[in-house]
Amino acid sequence: AQSVTQLDSQVPVFEEAPVELRCNYSSSVSVYLFWYVQYPNQGLQLLLKYLSGSTLVKGINGFEAEFNKSQTSFHLRKPSVHISDTAEYFCAGNSGGSNYKLTFGKGTLLTVNP
Amino acid sequence: NAGVTQTPKFQVLKTGQSMTLQCAQDMNHEYMSWYRQDPGMGLRLIHYSVGAGITDQGEVPNGYNVSRSTTEDFPLRLLSAAPSQTSVYFCASSYRNSPLHFGNGTRLTVT
Repeated sequence: AQSVTQLDSQVPVFEEAPVELRCNYSSSVSVYLFWYVQYPNQGLQLLLKYLSGSTLVKGINGFEAEFNKSQTSFHLRKPSVHISDTAEYFCAGNSGGSNYKLTFGKGTLLTVNP
Repeated sequence: NAGVTQTPKFQVLKTGQSMTLQCAQDMNHEYMSWYRQDPGMGLRLIHYSVGAGITDQGEVPNGYNVSRSTTEDFPLRLLSAAPSQTSVYFCASSYRNSPLHFGNGTRLTVT
């Protein structure tokens, strides 16, 4: 069964600093991976997805993630964060083609301080 | 284009009461699913549907029922609410291999 582990529950950073949110997955079959963002009192919004092809995936709001099969990781990065990036970030994955049955990590709260 | 619409936004129930959380999507998506979000737990799949008339259980189905009579609607029923069902509930839909689209959630408190 697919499992997704987010290694940090909270990440505080200063504005304009780089950030990396870590995600590891386990799977014995083909993998689809996603990062979602949740702003306070809102639903989840897709940041980026990896289905196949290039291992470096670019998403919205300047975020990118790198799929690393050997390390079973899908870390999210941004070179310079803004106050408005403060939110909870979820890594999610599945195995096979069933995108409606995602397994989510427990979330990482990114807090950007001035 | 409204996307995925969930009603109500907030609900307070007493233990033992029943209610239905509504979810509707206007994107003609085949797949619909319900997740619950609890602090420190991420999102966990309750039930899902791959099309009208077809539903199946997810990771945490106990205490919840679903049905899918139309492509657009996928209601979630709590037959006898319990305090352990206090949570934020999200409905999501997708089409084949497209990513999930989420509603804005229903915050449920059971006292």
